[in-house]
Amino acid sequence: QIVVTQEPSLTVSPGGTVTLTCASSTGAVTSGNYPSWFQQKPGRVPRTLIYSTTNKDSWTPARFSGSLLGGKAALTLSGVQPEDEADYYCLFYYGGAWFFGGGTKLTVL
Amino acid sequence: QRQLQESGPGLVKPSETLSLTCTVSGGSISSSSYFWTWIRQPPGRGPEWIANIYESGTTYFNPSLKSRVTISMDTSKNQFSLKLTSVTAADTAIYYCVSQAGPTKKIDSWGQGTLVTVSS
Repeated sequence: QIVVTQEPSLTVSPGGTVTLTCASSTGAVTSGNYPSWFQQKPGRVPRTLIYSTTNKDSWTPARFSGSLLGGKAALTLSGVQPEDEADYYCLFYYGGAWFFGGGTKLTVL
Repeated sequence: QRQLQESGPGLVKPSETLSLTCTVSGGSISSSSYFWTWIRQPPGRGPEWIANIYESGTTYFNPSLKSRVTISMDTSKNQFSLKLTSVTAADTAIYYCVSQAGPTKKIDSWGQGTLVTVSS
């Protein structure tokens, strides 16, 4: 069974920069895994932030960016805002099957 | 923009079959540009991918659920459906249907989700 691993929790100060990562138990993450990132606030439906590694959805603020970093998928928030406090999930593609990461709870404090 | 709406019972008894339907509006389910997906999220936990279906009829399943899951589509009604057999309390979750763009695999539309509780 494939496992996708995220930091369980991270804390960042308003205005700061933070990078969330997703690792795959199969090895280095590549663009062929079509990494996606989702933001979910309590009681809300997840929203797509990033797809295909680096592409932003139409609503995604400019301060969010996606990349591959050290064999992992990464989501970087630059100039964090209080409204960025949320759960963040990544999703990887494995030739037909998909696996979510366990999520990162981002606290803005 | 496509809109998706899940429907089905909110309460299912243990050992019975969970059945949900997703009705798609604003686009054809027969389009080769998209594929159709079920995702679930247990209370307080992260999402879990369940299955995909393509307009060709090709399907893919989460290996941990494969033996219990059926996904199908009804092009005449512009709907796709999920059946999960032999449910237990562990299958209690919000179930979402989503559309994904074929080339980029972007999840571009989410249903609002429907809570299914497994309980006697």
